[in-house]
Amino acid sequence: DIVMTQSPDSLAVSLGERATINCKSSQSVLYSSNNKYYLAWYQQKPGQPPKLLIYWASTRESGVPDRFSGSGSGTDFTLTISSLQAEDVAVYYCHQYYTTPFTFGPGTRVDIK
Amino acid sequence: QITLKESGPTLVKPTQTLTLTCTFSGFSLSTTGVGVGWIRQPPGKALEWLALIYWNDEKRYSPSLKSRLSITRDTSKNQVVLTMTNMDPVDTATYYCAHRPYDNIWGSYAFDIWGQGTMVTVSS
Repeated sequence: DIVMTQSPDSLAVSLGERATINCKSSQSVLYSSNNKYYLAWYQQKPGQPPKLLIYWASTRESGVPDRFSGSGSGTDFTLTISSLQAEDVAVYYCHQYYTTPFTFGPGTRVDIK
Repeated sequence: QITLKESGPTLVKPTQTLTLTCTFSGFSLSTTGVGVGWIRQPPGKALEWLALIYWNDEKRYSPSLKSRLSITRDTSKNQVVLTMTNMDPVDTATYYCAHRPYDNIWGSYAFDIWGQGTMVTVSS
């Protein structure tokens, strides 16, 4: 199985400041035939299902604010919230959909400082 | 507009079999490449992928739960059914179904639309 790890476990950021979440996969999630990283980021607020933010490691889902961005290569990926808003308080998960069993990271909780 | 909704019992006893139904709209599970998956989340814990069924009836299971899981589809009813046998209190979780899109250029995508989830408690 591909193990997904995230850091930090939680972080508190002031409104308007940058939040950065890291994700590492235990092996490559790059599909060579299309040169895409099969890495996604989800946001989950209490009592709600996960919401897809980013797929292919860096492609923003339709309707997602542009303050959310994804980057990375190899086995290291990052989700950045450029200017934290109150509505961004949530748990964020990275997810590999390269191969089954699909796996998720343990989550990173983002709060307001 | 794609929607999915999970349904099933909220309480099951240990050793019983859980049957959950995902009823969806806005897409067809007969469309090339499309899939529907099941993911669960114990209270306060992370997401765990369980199973996936594709448009062509191919099925994938979590290896750790494979012996207990079965996923089937009814394309005429737009439903996917997940069965989990020998339920245990550790299986207490919110169970989600989700849509996995596909296109001919890039192939399969991440789960994009999720149902609201259904909470299942395993207790005697």
